[in-house]
Amino acid sequence: QVQLVESGGGLVKPGGSLRLSCAASGFTFSDYYMSWIRQTPGKGLEWVSYISSSGSTIYYADSVKGRFTISRDNAKNSLYLQMNSLRAEDTAVYYCARGANSDYWGQGTLVTVSS
Amino acid sequence: DIQMTQSPSSLSASVGDRVTITCRASQGISNYLAWFQQKPGKAPKSLIYAASSLQSGVPSKFSGSGSGTDFTFTISSLQPEDFATYYCQQYNSYPYTFGQGTKLEIK
Repeated sequence: QVQLVESGGGLVKPGGSLRLSCAASGFTFSDYYMSWIRQTPGKGLEWVSYISSSGSTIYYADSVKGRFTISRDNAKNSLYLQMNSLRAEDTAVYYCARGANSDYWGQGTLVTVSS
Repeated sequence: DIQMTQSPSSLSASVGDRVTITCRASQGISNYLAWFQQKPGKAPKSLIYAASSLQSGVPSKFSGSGSGTDFTFTISSLQPEDFATYYCQQYNSYPYTFGQGTKLEIK
């Protein structure tokens, strides 16, 4: 069955960095484009970034552009989100999701940005 | 960016009721609309894609319709496990955007 498992979240100070990972299994990872989506109590669900199946096409939300970098390793069935220059407003649960219509989601990993 | 306006933001209903949630896009999105269910502490679960197509394994009591800018999501007969928060999302163009959610509570 399809499984997506995020890891790498935690507590980080403003200005710090974190790298999130999403391990995929149960499907041909290299056939799907993938997204990161985050959720905060105050702002609901927010799409963060997308990467095509080959990694050649990438999009970011304006709120993270220039600070976050999405990447993937199809040989390792893994998706990544490098987050730099973190701000308090980046505090959220981060989910990875599969495909255009986000048909499968991971369980999420909590990122807390606080001094 | 395309704004997704979902209504109502909360809804009280009883077991057995039929409920409908609406989602309006600020510009046309064809049928690139999905609906998700989220229970407390859990990840969103995909129910419907392409406005009206049921994801595999999702009960047929859930349905969706619409195209362009106006969409509806219906649960035909509420069961206790259906009380949750529901979100719409457009995936017609980046940035993909979500509605603010509808919290469905037991009356």
